[in-house]
Amino acid sequence: AQTVTQSQPEMSVQEAETVTLSCTYDTSENNYYLFWYKQPPSRQMILVIRQEAYKQQNATENRFSVNFQKAAKSFSLKISDSQLGDTAMYFCAFMKPNAGNMLTFGGGTRLMVKP
Amino acid sequence: DTGVSQDPRHKITKRGQNVTFRCDPISEHNRLYWYRQTLGQGPEFLTYFQNEAQLEKSRLLSDRFSAERPKGSFSTLEIQRTEQGDSAMYLCASSSSDSSNQPQHFGDGTRLSIL
Repeated sequence: AQTVTQSQPEMSVQEAETVTLSCTYDTSENNYYLFWYKQPPSRQMILVIRQEAYKQQNATENRFSVNFQKAAKSFSLKISDSQLGDTAMYFCAFMKPNAGNMLTFGGGTRLMVKP
Repeated sequence: DTGVSQDPRHKITKRGQNVTFRCDPISEHNRLYWYRQTLGQGPEFLTYFQNEAQLEKSRLLSDRFSAERPKGSFSTLEIQRTEQGDSAMYLCASSSSDSSNQPQHFGDGTRLSIL
């Protein structure tokens, strides 16, 4: 079974600054996908970024990028130029493909962007 | 594309009562997932359907829980004889099975409170 750990329950960052959220996972699989989801207060969870384990290049989506270290089983999210709207819970998630594609989530990191 | 829709948004009931939640996935999505999220935690997988077939159930899904997707479109999740520990947010997600890395799209969730 896979496990996902987010060791930072809460973080804060000043608007326009950069912040990095940590995620580690444990799996014996070689092929898998990793995701970061954002859950704003009282709003639905939305996909921020995803990474395929077989790709060495780190994924980037505008201000969001990841540092994927497969050997270390680490998958951190960097948010550049933080905006007030980035305030949310962030969840790291693991997916083993071709086995139902259900997600295993970490416990989440609450990010507060301060003006 | 109206997104994943869940009804009701909130449900308050007394312990011992039965409750039923509904999820309408994105219309072209053939996979539908149910997750449970307790306060301050990440979502946990409960069950998933491909079309009308329920293909996987978590051990979290006790005998009091039943899920259906009779025509491969909307799904219902019923909890019988509710207990205090059932209080949580119940999230529905849908995805396409066209390829293994299709992201899951989440609904707003149904928040269940057991008195």
